[in-house]
Amino acid sequence: EPEVTQTPSHQVTQMGQEVILRCVPISNHLYFYWYRQILGQKVEFLVSFYNNEISEKSEIFDDQFSVERPDGSNFTLKIRSTKLEDSAMYFCASRSLGAAGANVLTFGAGSRLTVL
Amino acid sequence: KNEVEQSPQNLTAQEGEFITINCSYSVGISALHWLQQHPGGGIVSLFMLSSGKKKHGRLIATINIQEKHSSLHITASHPRDSAVYICAVRTGNQFYFGTGTSLTVIP
Repeated sequence: EPEVTQTPSHQVTQMGQEVILRCVPISNHLYFYWYRQILGQKVEFLVSFYNNEISEKSEIFDDQFSVERPDGSNFTLKIRSTKLEDSAMYFCASRSLGAAGANVLTFGAGSRLTVL
Repeated sequence: KNEVEQSPQNLTAQEGEFITINCSYSVGISALHWLQQHPGGGIVSLFMLSSGKKKHGRLIATINIQEKHSSLHITASHPRDSAVYICAVRTGNQFYFGTGTSLTVIP
């Protein structure tokens, strides 16, 4: 079964450092998403990406964050200067555009970011 | 403000019981998703609904668009159903998530 792959599974970084989280969505999916989940809290939407540009973004997704699809497969989330409060699990997901029943979200396993 | 409200927050059931988790939302939606988050943290999409009802095995999801309400039912619950169940609504290409319902099924 096709899956969304995320790397790294866990990253520890110092405050102020740049971090890039990588995702390989399912190949025929057209919509890509990043979410985060701070430990013990609910999942939060960060950004959606369609047709090689940001489709929607939340208030959380400020100038610190950026997304890119540098080639036909990878979808990256960059945090420019990490803060302690960026520590969270970051999930990537992709979604197809198809008939009802095919339009399902598929999540990656997540990348745990710890900022010290 | 919470665009998505789930109830109950926590639920403990005996194996075999019929379980209902409720979700109410306040925004106009393109679709509603029910997700399952395992104790290890991984998230699996169970259903995507824009109207009516869907069934997959022992899981049934319904949505009432007029009332802005959805329910997830689990028939003949089993300990392996223990997880956090999350309701998420999609408006355009933006998502709002509920806080999740933590389900524990006791053998």
